[in-house]
Amino acid sequence: EVQLVESGGGLVQPGGSLRLSCAASGFSFSDHYMDWVRQTPGKGLEWVGRTRNKANSYSTEYAASVKGRFTISRDDSKKSMYLQMNSLKTEDTALYYCARSGSYAPFDCWGRGTLVTVSS
Amino acid sequence: DIQMTQSPSTLSASVGDRVTITCRASQTISNNLAWYQQKPGKAPKLLIYKTSTLESGVPSRFSGSGSGTEFTLTISSLQPDDFATYYCQQCDSYSLTFGGGTKVEIK
Repeated sequence: EVQLVESGGGLVQPGGSLRLSCAASGFSFSDHYMDWVRQTPGKGLEWVGRTRNKANSYSTEYAASVKGRFTISRDDSKKSMYLQMNSLKTEDTALYYCARSGSYAPFDCWGRGTLVTVSS
Repeated sequence: DIQMTQSPSTLSASVGDRVTITCRASQTISNNLAWYQQKPGKAPKLLIYKTSTLESGVPSRFSGSGSGTEFTLTISSLQPDDFATYYCQQCDSYSLTFGGGTKVEIK
């Protein structure tokens, strides 16, 4: 069974840092692009960023709203992806999902999400 | 970034109704358009990709169409399990974007 499990969410003060993890199982993790998508409580979905696979040099892309503050990485040996979030703002408060994707491909598998709350 | 505009934002319908949701892109996106269904407390679920290709296991009452900048999701006969929020998403550019969502409510 294909499964994605996020962890690492919690309460952090504005300006603080947090690292989220996404553990994958049930598929060939190294072949896939992986993304982070967030959802503000009661609001819509916002793509955060992605890491491509080894064949595409593990290159990354970020939404303008997080570029320069967030960093996505992956460890294929551990079938895991990470989101390092620095200089957090109150508007980063959201449920963070990891999702599987590909080149010009949709998000065909999602985790259950991990909640990040940025508040003083 | 490519902006995705969905309409309507809320739709009230009855079981058995034919329902259509529209998604407009701010620029041409080829056929790289996907639709998702989300229920409260759950992650989004992929319904349709490449504008009109049904994801495995998705009922055939769901269909997608469109090209260029205008796309539609149609539910041919609304079922009780279909009351949810639907999102379109373009995967045509390096910066991916979603529509604002359409909540399908019971009339």
